[in-house]
Amino acid sequence: EVQLLESGGGLVQPGGSLKLSCAASGLTFNTYTMSWVRQAPGKGLEWVSSISGFGGRTDYAASVMGRFTISRDNSKNTVYLQMNSLRGDDAAFYYCTVVGSGWFEGWFQNWGQGTLVTVSS
Amino acid sequence: EIVLTQSPGTLSLSPGERATLSCRASQSVSNSYLAWYQQKPGQAPRLLIYGVSSRATGIPDRFSGSGSGKDFTLTVSRLEPEDFAVYYCQHYGSSPLTFGGGTKVEIK
Repeated sequence: EVQLLESGGGLVQPGGSLKLSCAASGLTFNTYTMSWVRQAPGKGLEWVSSISGFGGRTDYAASVMGRFTISRDNSKNTVYLQMNSLRGDDAAFYYCTVVGSGWFEGWFQNWGQGTLVTVSS
Repeated sequence: EIVLTQSPGTLSLSPGERATLSCRASQSVSNSYLAWYQQKPGQAPRLLIYGVSSRATGIPDRFSGSGSGKDFTLTVSRLEPEDFAVYYCQHYGSSPLTFGGGTKVEIK
């Protein structure tokens, strides 16, 4: 069974930084693209960023380009999201996801429980 | 960017009834690259359908997907109590990956 455990969320001031982590188990980690998807409280889903199995390809939503950086450490089965210059509209639950088998731009077949990022002074 | 519009916003039905949810794309979705998710309050979304009509592992056969081009449908043949939730469609295969705004299926 695939398990994804996010951590690193919390309260941060506007303009601040935060680094999210997602530890994965139950899958051959380096064969899957990993993505982050966020959801502001009471709102819909928004794809944030993706990284390929060996990290050679990344992609970002326009809303976070230049401020967020996705990375992974396959020796630790962990994916990260470094978030800089945080704004109020970045406040959301951030979900770690596994992208459908063999795809980079695919469907999200497994989801973590999410970690909450709050941006407020 | 492909914009997905889901309708209706809210669907009020009784257990045992049929639910029909619509997802319309702003441009044609190539190669049937469309997925559906279910989200219950306080939970993460769960994949239901990918490739327009392929059920994910463990998804009961009362859930079915159909459509092509710009118009897609998720059907729940007979609503069970656990099916009352919010449903999202998502296109994939090109960046940015986008979701529809969701349809809430509530108990009438």
